[in-house]
Amino acid sequence: DIQMTQSPPVLSASVGDRVTLSCKASQNINKNLDWYQQKHGEAPKLLIYYTNNLQTGIPSRFSGSGSGTDYTLTISSLQPEDVATYYCYQYNSGPWTFGGGTKLELK
Amino acid sequence: EVQLVESGGGLVQPGRSMKLSCAASGFTFSSFPMAWVRQAPTKGLEWVATISTSGGSTYYRDSVKGRFTISRDNAKSTLYLQMNSLRSEDTATYYCTREGGGYGFSFDYWGQGVMVTVSS
Repeated sequence: DIQMTQSPPVLSASVGDRVTLSCKASQNINKNLDWYQQKHGEAPKLLIYYTNNLQTGIPSRFSGSGSGTDYTLTISSLQPEDVATYYCYQYNSGPWTFGGGTKLELK
Repeated sequence: EVQLVESGGGLVQPGRSMKLSCAASGFTFSSFPMAWVRQAPTKGLEWVATISTSGGSTYYRDSVKGRFTISRDNAKSTLYLQMNSLRSEDTATYYCTREGGGYGFSFDYWGQGVMVTVSS
């Protein structure tokens, strides 16, 4: 199975900060990676698909990048409504696997 | 508007069975693969199973293979998850998802989730 490791587990940042979340795969996943946002008590929401494609309706302050085994989600200017847990997800090879999540908090 | 509404959860004893349903609306159900994703209390997300558009192909994570069966009724726009021989580690919120986002492998719509508690 491909292991997805997210870092840091918890991130505290201030409104307006540029925030970077990392996701590392245990093997090359050929950019077959999504990012999901889950707010407390809600279902997850697709933010970014295939590494760097913004899902319809998602604000442009969210962006993704990466290749091989290393991937990044960036929020260019953190907003209060971005407080959530973020998960990366690989679908390069089965079983499809999620990372453990990064909980983003306001400082 | 796309809607996915799960039902059928609750408390069940270890070793027993339970069947989840997911009623879909707002899109052509038969055109999209569908999946179940679960989340144990205070834990992360875990893909459980996927079914193709026709239902002819199914995929499972190893820990549920042979115990869970994903199926669909395209005439009723409904997705199912039959869960047998339930274990305490199956306790989770189960989400019905549409695999239609991006290039076809992303979960672009999610239901609100249904809680399954396996306990004596």
